[in-house]
Amino acid sequence: DAGVIQSPRHEVTEMGQEVTLRCKPISGHDYLFWYRQTMMRGLELLIYFNNNVPIDDSGMPEDRFSAKMPNASFSTLKIQPSEPRDSAVYFCASSLGGTSYNEQFFGPGTRLTVL
Amino acid sequence: GIQVEQSPPDLILQEGANSTLRCNFSDSVNNLQWFHQNPWGQLINLFYIPSGTKQNGRLSATTVATERYSLLYISSSQTTDSGVYFCAVELYNFNKFYFGSGTKLNVKP
Repeated sequence: DAGVIQSPRHEVTEMGQEVTLRCKPISGHDYLFWYRQTMMRGLELLIYFNNNVPIDDSGMPEDRFSAKMPNASFSTLKIQPSEPRDSAVYFCASSLGGTSYNEQFFGPGTRLTVL
Repeated sequence: GIQVEQSPPDLILQEGANSTLRCNFSDSVNNLQWFHQNPWGQLINLFYIPSGTKQNGRLSATTVATERYSLLYISSSQTTDSGVYFCAVELYNFNKFYFGSGTKLNVKP
């Protein structure tokens, strides 16, 4: 298994531009999570999906952030317009879910820099 | 929400030394994981351990769910053990994890 795949690995953009981060979860996993990591706030859960449906988006910082999961093998996190304070590492993770076994596996992350 | 506290926040060891990292949590949890974030930023699964004890080479972990804590033991530490160690807990029926702030470990040769 290839694990969780994220792209791009690095993204540098200018303030005001749209940014799209991509994630492919582990095949067969029903849950997909988007996290953001910064020095100030640590690892924060932004949103998670179950069977492609958003379940909890309470961590999404503001309306500039949106996430979609059009099918079981692909999800996007979009920031429009981007701001310098959005600079962070964004991780995607997936898990089987359920109450009996729910180990999360993380992708390599996307390091976003907004100038 | 649930509070997840890790201690110590920073730890410096000489290569070969042993250490214990602690994770306390404020509520009953369904699951608990330990991760190692290496200097390149990658989050690596160490243990999935909602209860009991597990061992993997020089690392072992124990979770006492009834007392709301977990311990990660590192024996004969190596420089490659450097990085940040996170614990993450999942509340019952919530299917999402809450992370502690991590223990930053620096193993010196």
